[in-house]
Formats: sequence, structure tokens, C-alpha cells
Amino acid sequence: DGGITQSPKYLFRKEGQNVTLSCEQNLNHDAMYWYRQDPGQGLRLIYYSQIVNDFQKGDIAEGYSVSREKKESFPLTVTSAQKNPTAFYLCASSIDAGPQRTEAFFGQGTRLTVV
Amino acid sequence: AQKITQTQPGMFVQEKEAVTLDCTYDTSDPSYGLFWYKQPSSGEMIFLIYQGSYDQQNATEGRYSLNFQKARKSANLVISASQLGDSAMYFCAMREAYGNNRLAFGKGNQVVVIP
Repeated sequence: DGGITQSPKYLFRKEGQNVTLSCEQNLNHDAMYWYRQDPGQGLRLIYYSQIVNDFQKGDIAEGYSVSREKKESFPLTVTSAQKNPTAFYLCASSIDAGPQRTEAFFGQGTRLTVV
Repeated sequence: AQKITQTQPGMFVQEKEAVTLDCTYDTSDPSYGLFWYKQPSSGEMIFLIYQGSYDQQNATEGRYSLNFQKARKSANLVISASQLGDSAMYFCAMREAYGNNRLAFGKGNQVVVIP
């Protein structure tokens, strides 16, 4: 079945460590996104990518890094520079078609906790 | 700057009643798309409905309809005949034509349906 797979579902990180969240899609979508969600809050955009080997910072990119070496993959690294990384992370993808009806499809999310 | 505004506090609605969720947005782009998503407690994001800026009619999808008032930059979601399964967070989102495919979300509205 086509869809977006995020792994792992739960992730624990020690302070000072970098961790990488995986996001893979087999929908042949050009655009991919990473969002952060804190309890009771909306989705804040971390990074997004419209095409392979290209990505743009979102609203809260500090302390995060991404790569887009393959169309189907958009991993997110949470670096030690991110001071408060405990949150729910959602990955999404969509057809690159601007404002037309091209809804984003989401993965199941990764819940990251700093211990 | 915040482009999507959802300011209602948590809402309780009686089963079988209708509920309206407010969303206002800010853009100078004449071409944009508006999306509503549902997020139940499981965390998944479920696409509900889409409205394009050039659409002449309000969008409808089953029990969901969108009250689109372009001049007021308002795109309120109406859920008719509420069901217990409608209890969730609801997010409004926007993608602009000249926004490099950036998809921005509001902070969400919490809805609890009571029997």
C-alpha cells in the first residue's frame, strides 16, 4: 500500500546526543515536510523540500537538519543544539502542485523524549 | 508571522448537533488553497476538506462543509450531525501559490462531542 512511514514510533534521547528520525514515502510525491507538535499546540514547520537535493527552512529550523538525497526519503536530525527537543514529530508529503487540491499525507509520527 | 489563526477555546458539542470551527488567514497571494485536518488522540492527521481561492462554491465533503468568506479571509469548518468519533483536534492549513509549496497550519481547535 502507498503511504508514508515514520520510524521509530517512540524515541528516547540523552541530552547532548544527535538523533535521526526516518521518513519514507512511496507515493511518488515531490514535496515533503517535517513538523513539530507540542502538547495542545498546532503544527510548526521545521523544514520542507520541494525536490531532491533541495530544502528550505521553516519557522523553527534551529537545532535541526535534513537531507533529501532521494525522492522517497526525508530524514530529520535533531541535533544537540536543539534545547527542547521533546515533542511529537510529523512527516508529510504532497504532490508539488501549489495551492491546488493536493492535500498532504502524513505519517504516524515519532514521539521524541529527552531523558 | 502567523498566517493561520484559530483562537477558539476547547468546545463541547452535543451529539447530533452541528459545530462551527473558526479559521482566519492572512495572505496577499491571490492563489491559495485551504485545508482542514482532523487529529484524533491517536495522533494521525486525517484530511477532511479543501477550498481553493478561486472556487466559486463552498466545499462540501459528506458531513463537512466549509464556509468560505474570501473578503473576510475566513474559512470556517462546519461539522453537521456530530458523532462521538468527531472528538479530536481540528487544524486549518494554507498553501500559497508563491510560497514554494510551504504548508502552514494553525494552532487547532479542540472538539469534544458529548452524548
